[in-house]
Amino acid sequence: AQSVSQHNHHVILSEAASLELGCNYSYGGTVNLFWYVQYPGQHLQLLLKYFSGDPLVKGIKGFEAEFIKSKFSFNLRKPSVQWSDTAEYFCAVIPIYGGATNKLIFGTGTLLAVQP
Amino acid sequence: EPEVTQTPSHQVTQMGQEVILRCVPISNHLYFYWYRQILGQKVEFLVSFYNNEISEKSEIFDDQFSVERPDGSNFTLKIRSTKLEDSAMYFCASIPFTGKNIQYFGAGTRLSVL
Repeated sequence: AQSVSQHNHHVILSEAASLELGCNYSYGGTVNLFWYVQYPGQHLQLLLKYFSGDPLVKGIKGFEAEFIKSKFSFNLRKPSVQWSDTAEYFCAVIPIYGGATNKLIFGTGTLLAVQP
Repeated sequence: EPEVTQTPSHQVTQMGQEVILRCVPISNHLYFYWYRQILGQKVEFLVSFYNNEISEKSEIFDDQFSVERPDGSNFTLKIRSTKLEDSAMYFCASIPFTGKNIQYFGAGTRLSVL
């Protein structure tokens, strides 16, 4: 079965530190890849996505992610975090195959706490 | 920006009772989804819905669950006889068509079964 793994469950950083959150998926075919963010008390928001093309994608709020097909990875990065980045981050995948209904398969999430 | 709206934000119910969770997807969207997140666990797919019928459902979505789009705007998830393990955050999502795989989520309904 397809699955998504996020390696870090809880990350604590100081402001201005760099961030990298790991994400790996298990599916050998074509995928659409996503990072969603959930701020406290709010809904899931799309941070960035990869469908095709340049494997380095840029999202909102200075986030970027790199798709490495050979490693089945889609790691999220930000060079300098802010206190307002405190949130839970979810990696998600849509496997693309015939008859697919585009359900998202989520990782377990990473809770990021940024200390001022 | 258009939003997916879910009501109520928090539902408390007794075990064995029926609950209906409501969602109003974005108006021109055609595909609808329910997901749930048990506290401390990952967000899990429950069901997808298109053209007034279920297009895919997970193993979690057993006979206790049903979905409906009763009036062309609301999209509901019904749990017939709630169990303690149904306590979770339930998220509704929608997309306009399959060629645009960006799902827009509601804020969720927290269901507490006592």
